[in-house]
Amino acid sequence: AQKVTQAQTEISVVEKEDVTLDCVYETRDTTYYLFWYKQPPSGELVFLIRRNSFDEQNEISGRYSWNFQKSTSSFNFTITASQVVDSAVYFCALSELLTGANNLFFGTGTRLTVIP
Amino acid sequence: DVKVTQSSRYLVKRTGEKVFLECVQDMDHENMFWYRQDPGLGLRLIYFSYDVKMKEKGDIPEGYSVSREKKERFSLILESASTNQTSMYLCASKFMNTEAFFGQGTRLTVV
Repeated sequence: AQKVTQAQTEISVVEKEDVTLDCVYETRDTTYYLFWYKQPPSGELVFLIRRNSFDEQNEISGRYSWNFQKSTSSFNFTITASQVVDSAVYFCALSELLTGANNLFFGTGTRLTVIP
Repeated sequence: DVKVTQSSRYLVKRTGEKVFLECVQDMDHENMFWYRQDPGLGLRLIYFSYDVKMKEKGDIPEGYSVSREKKERFSLILESASTNQTSMYLCASKFMNTEAFFGQGTRLTVV
């Protein structure tokens, strides 16, 4: 079985605040991949990052950073100095190596609203 | 630029109609997917395909079928549309365990 949980349904922050979006996953596979996607109001999902299960290094890309911790099965996403353009729904997703067709299982998403 | 294109952005259909949603990708990806997105439920997998003429059921295949006659095209078929199939439908394609690329979505309303 596989499962991705995004417990935060909606978050509102004031512009320039930092915000962390939580993602907890479940898998029995030892090899798997984790993803974050952004869905702006236009509706199209935009890929942000992929991380494989053997690479626990945290990653920073501009104002975005990701904290992968296998010990707690979490892959959290932090936006530093948030901006109005960050307002979107963010999805965390899991793909297992042994699952047929390399499927992608999504969490229910977190809607982030950045207030100017 | 990589591209996944869905044939319609918005569709309105009547209950009982047969509905075709088309998706085309230009990246030569083996894997293609159809998801539906509903508020509070995230993206739920309807069907996926890992090769031409190959298909696998996802989590919610009831009321849907798919067709993949060519590698670049993956069609979702609603055999007899019902109001509970009103939703946003998203097509995606990917290569192995790389990231998936998504189309712009089709918002289907069944009246």
